[in-house]
Amino acid sequence: GAVVSQHPSWVICKSGTSVKIECRSLDFQATTMFWYRQFPKQSLMLMATSNEGSKATYEQGVEKDKFLINHASLTLSTLTVTSAHPEDSSFYICSARGAVWEQYFGPGTRLTVT
Amino acid sequence: EDKVVQSPLSLVVHEGDTVTLNCSYEVTNFRSLLWYKQEKKAPTFLFMLTSSGIEKKSGRLSSILDKKELFSILNITATQTGDSAVYLCAVPAGGGADGLTFGKGTHLIIQP
Repeated sequence: GAVVSQHPSWVICKSGTSVKIECRSLDFQATTMFWYRQFPKQSLMLMATSNEGSKATYEQGVEKDKFLINHASLTLSTLTVTSAHPEDSSFYICSARGAVWEQYFGPGTRLTVT
Repeated sequence: EDKVVQSPLSLVVHEGDTVTLNCSYEVTNFRSLLWYKQEKKAPTFLFMLTSSGIEKKSGRLSSILDKKELFSILNITATQTGDSAVYLCAVPAGGGADGLTFGKGTHLIIQP
């Protein structure tokens, strides 16, 4: 079946630094990838949609200069949290969609900013 | 703005019981409704519903959609401890976008 991986699975960084999270589709080509954020005991919130080779589309309220998304190939999208603050601590999940409608979710990355 | 509301938010039952989870939605341009199960990490897909009144079934789980009343239910019969999870309902965002709008989820706990 379709597998999506994320790296790292857990990262701790200091306030003010930047963190890059990778999302890879391992056995299919993902024309579209999505980034979600999930705070404790809350549901997933869509942050942005990225299409290979074009700029990401951000949801209302998500700062595009803070959350940089690059979808450089059909199997890789990256999310960089720039100048991270403690309030950016969250669980970040990506999903990938190939030729069919279904989104396959990655295992998530837990970001803790100290 | 698209909205997905799930109820109850949490539910504790005993093994063997049957549970019904609810999901109501408001979306600009309805295309489908999806159910996911989330344990520790990523959500896993359960069902996609597009047509009213047609039950989707997978083992002890089943789901149905009512497009007139704008809701869906997820039923789990003969529950087992392995069914303990957060069950999420989602709709693709309106306006042609494909990112999902999720409800807050129902946290289901099955006690032995």
